[in-house]
Amino acid sequence: SQTIHQWPATLVQPVGSPLSLECTVEGTSNPNLYWYRQAAGRGLQLLFYSVGIGQISSEVPQNLSASRPQDRQFILSSKKLLLSDSGFYLCAWRGRGMNTEAFFGQGTRLTVV
Amino acid sequence: AQSVSQHNHHVILSEAASLELGCNYSYGGTVNLFWYVQYPGQHLQLLLKYFSGDPLVKGIKGFEAEFIKSKFSFNLRKPSVQWSDTAEYFCAVTPTGGFKTIFGAGTRLFVKA
Repeated sequence: SQTIHQWPATLVQPVGSPLSLECTVEGTSNPNLYWYRQAAGRGLQLLFYSVGIGQISSEVPQNLSASRPQDRQFILSSKKLLLSDSGFYLCAWRGRGMNTEAFFGQGTRLTVV
Repeated sequence: AQSVSQHNHHVILSEAASLELGCNYSYGGTVNLFWYVQYPGQHLQLLLKYFSGDPLVKGIKGFEAEFIKSKFSFNLRKPSVQWSDTAEYFCAVTPTGGFKTIFGAGTRLFVKA
């Protein structure tokens, strides 16, 4: 069966420090991968998605970037964190094909101080 | 661009009351529709999904949703809620064959025992 791992679960980082959140998927190949940010009352905002290695689409301009160095690995990064980057970040994957749903990781609570 | 609107941000019900959560989307083509649930302290999980066929779909834990194409709606229903249904509920849409899944702002349901 497929599983998705996301870490760390919580993270406290000072303003101006770098960020690296990692997400890996097991049990499937060539998935579509996603990073979302969840904010109270605003639902899930799609930040990035990837349809293949090295292919990244950005949905909103911001201080973050994403990379996909391997088929089942998706990384969310920042060179210098801002206070406004605080939030709950979720990684998700979807299989290929017309009718598939997204499966989510446990999420990372990021607090920038 | 596609969007999803959930009408109620907070709902409070007593046990055994009936539930209906509204969801409308904007997109001109065919879509896949989803309801996800996030129980306190847990990750997002799929409640039910619609791809095609019978517009009335049944999910886990007694939930159902009806797709009304003419109204661009996919409302979630449950005839009798339980205290354990306390959670946040998200409606989501993916254009058929598309890459992006867009979520609504979510509805926080609190069921009083």
